[in-house]
Formats: sequence, C-alpha cells, structure tokens
Amino acid sequence: DVLLVESGGVVVQPGGSLRLSCEAFGFIFEDYTMHWVRQVPGKGPEWVSLITWDGGISNYADSVKGRFTIFRDNSKNSLYLQMNSLRSEDTALYYCAKEGSGWRNFDYWGQGTPVTVSS
Amino acid sequence: QSVLTQPPSASGTPGQRVTISCSGSGSNIGSNSVNWYMQLPGTAPRLLIYSDKQRPSGAPARFSGSRSGASASLAISGLQSEDEADYYCSTWDDSLKGVLFGGGTRLTVL
Repeated sequence: DVLLVESGGVVVQPGGSLRLSCEAFGFIFEDYTMHWVRQVPGKGPEWVSLITWDGGISNYADSVKGRFTIFRDNSKNSLYLQMNSLRSEDTALYYCAKEGSGWRNFDYWGQGTPVTVSS
Repeated sequence: QSVLTQPPSASGTPGQRVTISCSGSGSNIGSNSVNWYMQLPGTAPRLLIYSDKQRPSGAPARFSGSRSGASASLAISGLQSEDEADYYCSTWDDSLKGVLFGGGTRLTVL
C-alpha cells in the first residue's frame, strides 16, 4: 500500500528556516511527480510546490516563490521542502502528495506535518 | 478569494441528487482537466474524480464529474449520510503555472 510520512514540522520564529521531509513507501517513487500542499485549519487546501520525477522541473506558488525550495532524493524515496524567511501566513498543516493519473492531481496524501510560525 | 469559484454550501436529503459547481477561466478550467476532492474533518483530502470525469479505484459510482468551457460540476446521486463533507475542485493554471483549488463547498445531508 502507498504510504507517505511527513516530518519536520515545528514551531519556528518569523524569519526562521525549516526543512520538511516526506518518506514514500509502496510505489516506485522515482517514477512520479510529487507535490507539497498546505492547509490552514478551517480553510481550503493551497498548493505549494511540485517537482518532477527526476527533479528537472519544479514550480512554486507565488506566495512561496523565492523562499521555499523543493527537492528530492530518489535513492532515499524522499521528498523535501526547504522553507526560509518564514512568515506567520506560512502557518499550516503541510501535506506531501503523490501525483496520480491524468494531470496535476493528487491520488495519495500523507497525514501532514504542522508548521507554526510565531514569536 | 479563490480563482476557482464554488458555492460555500450545498445540501440535500438522503437519496437525492446534488450538484456542486466550479467556475474558472480560460487559463485554468478552460484549458485543463478538473479534479475533485472530498475531505472529512481531521483527515487529508481524498481524490474523488480526476481528468474531469474519471473515478479512481475505490471512489463510489454515485459520484460523477463533467466540464464544459470554463466550468465544471460534481454530481452526487443517491445521496448518503456519509457524503457529508467538504468538496474541493482543482486544476492547473497555465498562466500561474501552478495548481489551483476552489474555495470549497460544505455539503450537508439533511
């Protein structure tokens, strides 16, 4: 069975940095585009970033462009999100998601890791 | 304010048919297929419909999707109490080069 396990979410001060990790199980990780999606409790999901199977292409939401970097290590079946210059509005539950069939959809999601940016 | 517009709420009685709309523009729904997600409280969203009208394995047949022009719809026939959840449409935007989500529709089964 497909399983995505995120980690790394903590409380961090504004302006600080954080790295999230997502370890993948149950599928051929290197074959798939992967995404980060975040959600503030009580609000809808917000797409953050994607990276193609080989790391050749990455895209970012305007809200995080220039501050966040997505990368992957296929030898470790792992996806990462380096978050710099964090702001209070980055506070959310961050999900790792696997891209499914078709175009830019998410057929499997992790359980999420919470990030709180607060002084 | 989301780029993809959904009604904030919808409701129906058990057995009824309910539709949820999602309106966008030429750079998103007008050019790319739409996906639908269902989210129960305290859980991650679950893919319900992809590529406008395809159901992934495990998605009940009472859920169906369609797209026309810059709008899309999710239909739920034979409404059941367990369908009470938040529903989100999603698609790629060619101009923003990113994935968009609608604001969500809370479905209540009366």
